Amino acid sequence: AQSVAQPEDQVNVAEGNPLTVKCTYSVSGNPYLFWYVQYPNRGLQFLLKYITGDNLVKGSYGFEAEFNKSQTSFHLKKPSALVSDSALYFCAVRPTGGGNKLTFGTGTQLKVEL
Amino acid sequence: GAGVSQTPSNKVTEKGKYVELRCDPISGHTALYWYRQSLGQGPEFLIYFQGTGAADDSGLPNDRFFAVRPEGSVSTLKIQRTERGDSAVYLCASSFTSASMAEQFFGPGTRLTVL
Repeated sequence: AQSVAQPEDQVNVAEGNPLTVKCTYSVSGNPYLFWYVQYPNRGLQFLLKYITGDNLVKGSYGFEAEFNKSQTSFHLKKPSALVSDSALYFCAVRPTGGGNKLTFGTGTQLKVEL
Repeated sequence: GAGVSQTPSNKVTEKGKYVELRCDPISGHTALYWYRQSLGQGPEFLIYFQGTGAADDSGLPNDRFFAVRPEGSVSTLKIQRTERGDSAVYLCASSFTSASMAEQFFGPGTRLTVL
């Protein structure tokens, strides 16, 4: 069975500082990994995904994520945070070997302050 | 273009009643998914359609839950004899293909409250 862990319920960062939201996963075989963001009263929005190839994936709104196979991690990063980045972030995994359901973590609330 | 739409946005019902939740996916998307998100949790998979057929319904919690997609587009999630524990946000998503690498696009959800 696949699973995702987001060890931090909340991350606080000052605007302009770099941010990292952590994610580790467990899956049989190789993973497809995704990050989604959820704003209040809105649906999940796709940010980026790792399929294969370069371990550093770039996505929407200046976000990027680094896939680390040995550490089974897929941390979300941004070099300079904005107040508007404040939202709930979810990491998700699907196995490459079949199966279509996304398994999500419990989410990390990002708060960017002035 | 139009995204995934879900109706109603909010549904309040009484324990024991029947409810239907509707999802209209992005035009041309062949795969459709239902998830349930409880407070403080990530979305949990319920069921996946490829075309008209349910390809994986392993996430449906029990036989009170049923979903259909008769024409391969709009889907309806049906819950019979609702219980207070069914209260959650029900999310629908669609993707262009059913390939595992394809990202899913989510609707805004239906917040179901069972009194």
